[in-house]
Amino acid sequence: EAQVTQNPRYLITVTGKKLTVTCSQNMNHEYMSWYRQDPGLGLRQIYYSMNVEVTDKGDVPEGYKVSRKEKRNFPLILESPSPNQTSLYFCASSYGRTGKNGYTFGSGTRLTVV
Amino acid sequence: DAKTTQPPSMDCAEGRAANLPCNHSTISGNEYVYWYRQIHSQGPQYIIHGLKNNETNEMASLIITEDRKSSTLILPHATLRDTAVYYCIVRVAGSGSEKLVFGKGMKLTVNP
Repeated sequence: EAQVTQNPRYLITVTGKKLTVTCSQNMNHEYMSWYRQDPGLGLRQIYYSMNVEVTDKGDVPEGYKVSRKEKRNFPLILESPSPNQTSLYFCASSYGRTGKNGYTFGSGTRLTVV
Repeated sequence: DAKTTQPPSMDCAEGRAANLPCNHSTISGNEYVYWYRQIHSQGPQYIIHGLKNNETNEMASLIITEDRKSSTLILPHATLRDTAVYYCIVRVAGSGSEKLVFGKGMKLTVNP
């Protein structure tokens, strides 16, 4: 089944403890992206990647890192999480550069930083 | 990308057609209209997109006005599982950032 898989689904962590949220897609998509969703603020893009080894900042990149060493994987790294990074995170992928195709989203990762 | 305007909420009876409106009066010629929905806190789900012609797929139909300043998403036979927040998004095809700008969307409630 074509899908975007995020892990973990739920995570509670403490301030400052490095964590990684994994994202993997099995559709050979070139484009991958991370979003966070917060009440009243909607979905905001954190980082995106147009291909292997090509990443760029979205609207809210502070406090996050990403890497794209393989086409299928796009992990989101929080080097020193803080409570304001408590949020619902979504990974998404899309095929092709035309922009004509829709994004496929993962099921989400609910992160709580205490 | 052009901005879109949607009503904040809408109710629909189960089994009836749900017509979800969207205004995008500043849309430019190379911008597509996309519809996504988000059921509770699940990941957004792509529904349909179009440029200027009406489109239909297994989920819905998209009607775009001739001047392209507004569109309507039609769910022909709404079910309880169609209750969700629906997002209308316009974006340029091939724009480098591949970013989707989600507004507040419209909450559709399908009632039994």
